[in-house]
Amino acid sequence: GQQLNQSPQSMFIQEGEDVSMNCTSSSIFNTWLWYKQDPGEGPVLLIALYKAGELTSNGRLTAQFGITRKDSFLNISASIPSDVGIYFCAGQDGINAGKSTFGDGTTLTVKP
Amino acid sequence: NAGVTQTPKFQVLKTGQSMTLQCAQDMNHEYMSWYRQDPGMGLRLIHYSVGAGITDQGEVPNGYNVSRSTTEDFPLRLLSAAPSQTSVYFCASSPHRGSYNEQFFGPGTRLTVL
Repeated sequence: GQQLNQSPQSMFIQEGEDVSMNCTSSSIFNTWLWYKQDPGEGPVLLIALYKAGELTSNGRLTAQFGITRKDSFLNISASIPSDVGIYFCAGQDGINAGKSTFGDGTTLTVKP
Repeated sequence: NAGVTQTPKFQVLKTGQSMTLQCAQDMNHEYMSWYRQDPGMGLRLIHYSVGAGITDQGEVPNGYNVSRSTTEDFPLRLLSAAPSQTSVYFCASSPHRGSYNEQFFGPGTRLTVL
C-alpha cells in the first residue's frame, strides 16, 4: 500500500525558533493535508493543499505541495509553547475523503 | 453542532470479549472512517464509508466489522478482542465537496485488551 515517510520523528526547540518538517511518498497524491493533535484529542486540520506547487499559509504556518506531487513540507515560524503537539501529514489519492494515508507524525516540544 | 462524538472514552476488555465502539456525527457528512493509532505511529485506516449502506475496508480491517445504516452513525465492532487491538480508536467524518477533503475527528476511544 501507499506509505508516507514523515521527518523528523521529534523536535525539541526553543520558543521563538522556526520549525520545518516534511513528508515524502512513494506514490502521487492529489491532496496533501497537515493536522495537529493535542494530547488526548483527535487531530485537527491545519492546512490543506490541492495543487502541485501550491504554497499556503495559515497564520504562522506555511505548507507547500511538492511539484512532483510526492512530497510536502510544513513550516512553523516563531514557535510558541502552544505549538506543542504531534503534527501529521496525510495524503489522498482520489476524491474519497474517507481514505487518507497518514505519516507517523512529528512530535514537537517547545521550551519556554 | 456537537461534531463527531465517540463513546465510550475508555474501555478495558478481556481477550475474546466483543464490543461496539460508537461514533455519531451531526454535520450530515457523507463520508465516515475509523482509524487506530498506536504509540509513535500515525493513524491507520480500518474501515470507511462513503454513504449509508456502503462500507469498504481500509489498511487494517481484520478483526473489525462496520455497518452504516444511517448517515449519522458508524459503529465499529470488535468480534473477539485480542491484545493486539489495544489502541486508541478515532472516528472521522467529512463532507463530499469534490476536492475539499477535510476530515473532522472525534475525541477517540482508548481501548485496552488484557
